[in-house]
Amino acid sequence: EDQVTQSPEALRLQEGESSSLNCSYTVSGLRGLFWYRQDPGKGPEFLFTLYSAGEEKEKERLKATLTKKESFLHITAPKPEDSATYLCAVCTNRDDKIIFGKGTRLHILP
Amino acid sequence: EAQVTQNPRYLITVTGKKLTVTCSQNMNHEYMSWYRQDPGLGLRQIYYSMNVEVTDKGDVPEGYKVSRKEKRNFPLILESPSPNQTSLYFCASSSGLAGADTQYFGPGTRLTVL
Repeated sequence: EDQVTQSPEALRLQEGESSSLNCSYTVSGLRGLFWYRQDPGKGPEFLFTLYSAGEEKEKERLKATLTKKESFLHITAPKPEDSATYLCAVCTNRDDKIIFGKGTRLHILP
Repeated sequence: EAQVTQNPRYLITVTGKKLTVTCSQNMNHEYMSWYRQDPGLGLRQIYYSMNVEVTDKGDVPEGYKVSRKEKRNFPLILESPSPNQTSLYFCASSSGLAGADTQYFGPGTRLTVL
């Protein structure tokens, strides 16, 4: 069964304290892996798409990496405005379904 | 402005009263999708469409219908809503190869079924 697991469920960091969020996946075939940010009451906002193991992408304080079994979202020197829920999702090449993980709630303390 | 719009944004209804939530995108995207989001369960795909007249079931399609008669519109239909369909619903669209491209999400529709 295709599934996506994110850890930790919640994370509290001090401003400037770098950390990583994990997304492990089990799928029959990966067409793409996505990272989104979601603020309370709003729709998810796209961050990155990764397609193959070894690929990395960066945007401001965020960097996403991909292996054959998992992806990491690295947050460097976070600021309070980085507080949000971060969602990981995969698109399978068997049927083009999209499966989301349950997300990591990130809280950055000033 | 490129966007996905949903209507209504909020809806309170009663069990069994048919309703439709509209979704429209102005980006000429081929792939469109409906999700529901529930506390502790995350986002779950209800239905998706890879092009006009092509729709497929996601992980939780029971109790829902969709149609894709035009490229820009993808309405979600609840023929006989029940309280367990109370949820936050999102529509999304993406271009490129099926769903493997950036998805743009609508603002959400909060549905309460009494």
